[in-house]
Amino acid sequence: GAGVSQSPSNKVTEKGKDVELRCDPISGHTALYWYRQRLGQGLEFLIYFQGNSAPDKSGLPSDRFSAERTGESVSTLTIQRTQQEDSAVYLCASSSAPTVYEQYFGPGTRLTVT
Amino acid sequence: QQQVKQSPQSLIVQKGGISIINCAYENTAFDYFPWYQQFPGKGPALLIAIRPDVSEKKEGRFTISFNKSAKQFSLHIMDSQPGDSATYFCAASPDSARQLTFGSGTQLTVLP
Repeated sequence: GAGVSQSPSNKVTEKGKDVELRCDPISGHTALYWYRQRLGQGLEFLIYFQGNSAPDKSGLPSDRFSAERTGESVSTLTIQRTQQEDSAVYLCASSSAPTVYEQYFGPGTRLTVT
Repeated sequence: QQQVKQSPQSLIVQKGGISIINCAYENTAFDYFPWYQQFPGKGPALLIAIRPDVSEKKEGRFTISFNKSAKQFSLHIMDSQPGDSATYFCAASPDSARQLTFGSGTQLTVLP
Protein backbone atom coordinates (compact mmCIF):
# COMPACT_ATOMS: atom_id res chain seq x y z
CA GLY A 1 0.00 0.00 0.00
CA ALA A 2 0.94 3.64 -0.29
CA GLY A 3 3.16 5.11 2.38
CA VAL A 4 3.19 8.60 3.84
CA SER A 5 3.53 11.19 1.11
CA GLN A 6 4.60 14.80 1.42
CA SER A 7 4.54 17.72 -0.97
CA PRO A 8 6.35 19.59 -2.23
CA SER A 9 9.57 17.61 -2.01
CA ASN A 10 11.57 20.84 -2.20
CA LYS A 11 10.56 24.42 -1.52
CA VAL A 12 12.70 27.53 -1.90
CA THR A 13 11.18 30.71 -0.56
CA GLU A 14 12.24 34.22 0.23
CA LYS A 15 12.58 35.41 3.80
CA GLY A 16 9.30 36.83 5.02
CA LYS A 17 7.05 34.74 2.77
CA ASP A 18 4.53 32.20 4.05
CA VAL A 19 4.79 28.51 3.10
CA GLU A 20 2.44 25.53 3.34
CA LEU A 21 3.67 21.97 3.53
CA ARG A 22 1.37 19.04 2.96
CA CYS A 23 1.28 15.54 4.42
CA ASP A 24 -0.88 12.62 3.31
CA PRO A 25 -0.74 9.92 5.99
CA ILE A 26 -1.22 6.21 5.49
CA SER A 27 -4.91 5.48 5.10
CA GLY A 28 -6.48 4.51 8.40
CA HIS A 29 -3.70 5.89 10.55
CA THR A 30 -5.21 7.95 13.33
CA ALA A 31 -2.04 9.59 14.61
CA LEU A 32 0.02 12.14 12.66
CA TYR A 33 3.26 13.84 13.69
CA TRP A 34 5.37 16.65 12.28
CA TYR A 35 9.10 16.81 12.94
CA ARG A 36 11.84 19.18 11.82
CA GLN A 37 15.31 17.95 10.89
CA ARG A 38 18.06 20.55 10.61
CA LEU A 39 21.14 19.66 8.60
CA GLY A 40 23.24 17.07 10.40
CA GLN A 41 20.94 16.94 13.40
CA GLY A 42 18.29 14.72 14.85
CA LEU A 43 14.57 15.17 14.52
CA GLU A 44 12.75 17.77 16.61
CA PHE A 45 9.10 17.14 17.43
CA LEU A 46 6.75 19.90 16.32
CA ILE A 47 3.11 18.82 16.65
CA TYR A 48 0.97 15.70 17.08
CA PHE A 49 -2.60 14.95 16.01
CA GLN A 50 -4.61 12.00 17.32
CA GLY A 51 -8.08 11.52 15.89
CA ASN A 52 -10.41 14.34 16.88
CA SER A 53 -8.50 15.20 20.07
CA ALA A 54 -6.91 18.59 20.53
CA PRO A 55 -3.44 18.55 18.94
CA ASP A 56 -0.29 18.54 21.05
CA LYS A 57 1.45 21.72 19.92
CA SER A 58 4.17 21.66 22.57
CA GLY A 59 7.00 21.40 20.03
CA LEU A 60 6.10 24.35 17.82
CA PRO A 61 9.05 26.79 18.04
CA SER A 62 7.07 30.01 17.63
CA ASP A 63 3.64 31.38 16.82
CA ARG A 64 4.73 31.62 13.17
CA PHE A 65 4.23 27.85 12.99
CA SER A 66 0.78 26.27 12.82
CA ALA A 67 -0.72 23.04 11.56
CA GLU A 68 -4.13 21.71 10.72
CA ARG A 69 -5.58 18.31 10.13
CA THR A 70 -9.11 17.49 9.05
CA GLY A 71 -10.28 14.27 10.67
CA GLU A 72 -7.83 11.49 9.97
CA SER A 73 -6.70 12.76 6.59
CA VAL A 74 -4.36 15.33 5.14
CA SER A 75 -2.40 17.72 7.33
CA THR A 76 -0.81 21.03 6.42
CA LEU A 77 2.02 22.73 8.26
CA THR A 78 2.13 26.49 7.73
CA ILE A 79 5.10 28.70 8.45
CA GLN A 80 4.38 32.41 8.33
CA ARG A 81 6.98 35.11 7.72
CA THR A 82 9.70 32.55 7.11
CA GLN A 83 13.17 33.14 8.52
CA GLN A 84 16.49 31.67 7.41
CA GLU A 85 16.63 29.53 10.57
CA ASP A 86 13.45 27.79 9.35
CA SER A 87 15.52 26.12 6.62
CA ALA A 88 15.32 22.37 7.32
CA VAL A 89 13.69 19.16 6.21
CA TYR A 90 10.16 18.89 7.56
CA LEU A 91 9.11 15.29 8.11
CA CYS A 92 5.64 13.93 8.63
CA ALA A 93 4.91 10.56 10.21
CA SER A 94 1.74 8.61 10.85
CA SER A 95 0.87 5.76 13.15
CA SER A 96 -2.06 3.42 13.62
CA ALA A 97 -1.75 3.56 17.40
CA PRO A 98 -2.47 6.40 19.80
CA THR A 99 1.04 6.03 21.19
CA VAL A 100 4.42 6.33 19.53
CA TYR A 101 4.79 2.80 18.31
CA GLU A 102 5.83 2.27 14.73
CA GLN A 103 5.74 5.73 13.29
CA TYR A 104 6.00 5.61 9.49
CA PHE A 105 7.79 8.60 8.01
CA GLY A 106 7.33 10.36 4.70
CA PRO A 107 10.29 11.48 2.58
CA GLY A 108 10.12 15.02 3.89
CA THR A 109 9.96 18.51 2.41
CA ARG A 110 13.27 20.32 2.14
CA LEU A 111 12.62 23.99 2.86
CA THR A 112 15.23 26.58 1.96
CA VAL A 113 14.68 30.18 3.01
CA THR A 114 16.85 32.65 1.10
CA GLN B 1 16.33 15.91 30.99
CA GLN B 2 14.62 15.23 27.69
CA GLN B 3 17.87 14.81 25.77
CA VAL B 4 19.15 11.63 24.20
CA LYS B 5 22.89 11.77 23.57
CA GLN B 6 24.23 9.70 20.68
CA SER B 7 27.78 8.79 19.72
CA PRO B 8 29.79 8.61 17.59
CA GLN B 9 28.74 11.27 15.10
CA SER B 10 30.27 9.25 12.27
CA LEU B 11 31.58 5.72 11.94
CA ILE B 12 33.55 3.93 9.25
CA VAL B 13 33.63 0.14 9.30
CA GLN B 14 35.02 -2.46 6.95
CA LYS B 15 32.63 -4.90 5.31
CA GLY B 16 32.03 -7.83 7.65
CA GLY B 17 32.91 -5.83 10.74
CA ILE B 18 30.76 -4.89 13.71
CA SER B 19 29.23 -1.41 13.91
CA ILE B 20 28.40 -0.12 17.38
CA ILE B 21 26.43 3.04 18.10
CA ASN B 22 25.72 4.23 21.62
CA CYS B 23 23.03 6.36 23.22
CA ALA B 24 22.50 7.67 26.73
CA TYR B 25 19.48 9.28 28.34
CA GLU B 26 18.60 11.06 31.58
CA ASN B 27 14.83 10.85 31.77
CA THR B 28 13.99 7.79 33.87
CA ALA B 29 10.41 7.94 32.56
CA PHE B 30 11.60 6.80 29.13
CA ASP B 31 10.19 3.35 28.51
CA TYR B 32 10.51 2.73 24.77
CA PHE B 33 13.76 2.86 22.81
CA PRO B 34 13.64 2.51 19.01
CA TRP B 35 16.38 2.82 16.43
CA TYR B 36 15.70 4.37 13.04
CA GLN B 37 17.66 4.04 9.80
CA GLN B 38 17.66 6.88 7.29
CA PHE B 39 18.99 6.82 3.74
CA PRO B 40 19.71 10.08 1.88
CA GLY B 41 16.54 11.71 0.60
CA LYS B 42 14.30 9.33 2.53
CA GLY B 43 12.43 9.53 5.79
CA PRO B 44 13.64 7.50 8.78
CA ALA B 45 12.46 3.90 8.96
CA LEU B 46 12.03 1.90 12.17
CA LEU B 47 14.79 -0.68 12.42
CA ILE B 48 14.39 -2.29 15.83
CA ALA B 49 13.03 -1.27 19.23
CA ILE B 50 13.34 -2.39 22.84
CA ARG B 51 11.59 -1.90 26.15
CA PRO B 52 13.57 -1.89 29.42
CA ASP B 53 12.12 -5.17 30.66
CA VAL B 54 14.74 -6.97 28.55
CA SER B 55 18.47 -6.33 28.29
CA GLU B 56 18.90 -7.39 24.69
CA LYS B 57 16.86 -7.79 21.53
CA LYS B 58 18.11 -9.29 18.30
CA GLU B 59 16.62 -9.13 14.83
CA GLY B 60 18.82 -10.64 12.15
CA ARG B 61 22.14 -8.81 12.12
CA PHE B 62 20.83 -6.00 14.35
CA THR B 63 20.96 -6.17 18.16
CA ILE B 64 19.95 -3.64 20.79
CA SER B 65 21.69 -3.88 24.15
CA PHE B 66 20.05 -2.05 27.03
CA ASN B 67 21.54 -1.12 30.41
CA LYS B 68 18.81 0.34 32.59
CA SER B 69 21.03 1.16 35.57
CA ALA B 70 23.47 3.07 33.37
CA LYS B 71 20.66 4.60 31.31
CA GLN B 72 22.40 3.56 28.12
CA PHE B 73 21.47 1.56 25.06
CA SER B 74 23.36 0.62 21.97
CA LEU B 75 22.88 -0.74 18.46
CA HIS B 76 25.18 -3.46 17.19
CA ILE B 77 25.25 -4.30 13.49
CA MET B 78 26.97 -7.62 12.91
CA ASP B 79 28.62 -8.52 9.59
CA SER B 80 28.17 -4.93 8.41
CA GLN B 81 27.47 -4.54 4.67
CA PRO B 82 27.90 -1.59 2.30
CA GLY B 83 24.10 -1.48 2.02
CA ASP B 84 23.97 -0.65 5.74
CA SER B 85 25.62 2.71 5.00
CA ALA B 86 23.07 5.21 6.28
CA THR B 87 22.37 7.53 9.17
CA TYR B 88 21.14 5.85 12.33
CA PHE B 89 19.10 7.59 15.00
CA CYS B 90 18.30 6.36 18.46
CA ALA B 91 15.16 7.66 20.12
CA ALA B 92 13.27 7.35 23.37
CA SER B 93 9.86 8.00 24.80
CA PRO B 94 7.77 7.36 27.88
CA ASP B 95 5.36 4.51 27.22
CA SER B 96 2.29 6.60 26.76
CA ALA B 97 3.92 9.68 25.29
CA ARG B 98 3.03 11.06 21.95
CA GLN B 99 6.38 11.97 20.54
CA LEU B 100 9.87 10.56 20.27
CA THR B 101 13.00 12.32 21.48
CA PHE B 102 15.74 11.63 18.96
CA GLY B 103 19.51 11.47 19.24
CA SER B 104 21.60 13.57 16.88
CA GLY B 105 22.37 10.69 14.51
CA THR B 106 25.37 8.60 13.45
CA GLN B 107 26.48 8.51 9.85
CA LEU B 108 27.68 4.96 9.17
CA THR B 109 29.87 4.14 6.19
CA VAL B 110 30.66 0.50 5.47
CA LEU B 111 33.60 0.14 3.12
CA PRO B 112 33.45 -2.66 0.52
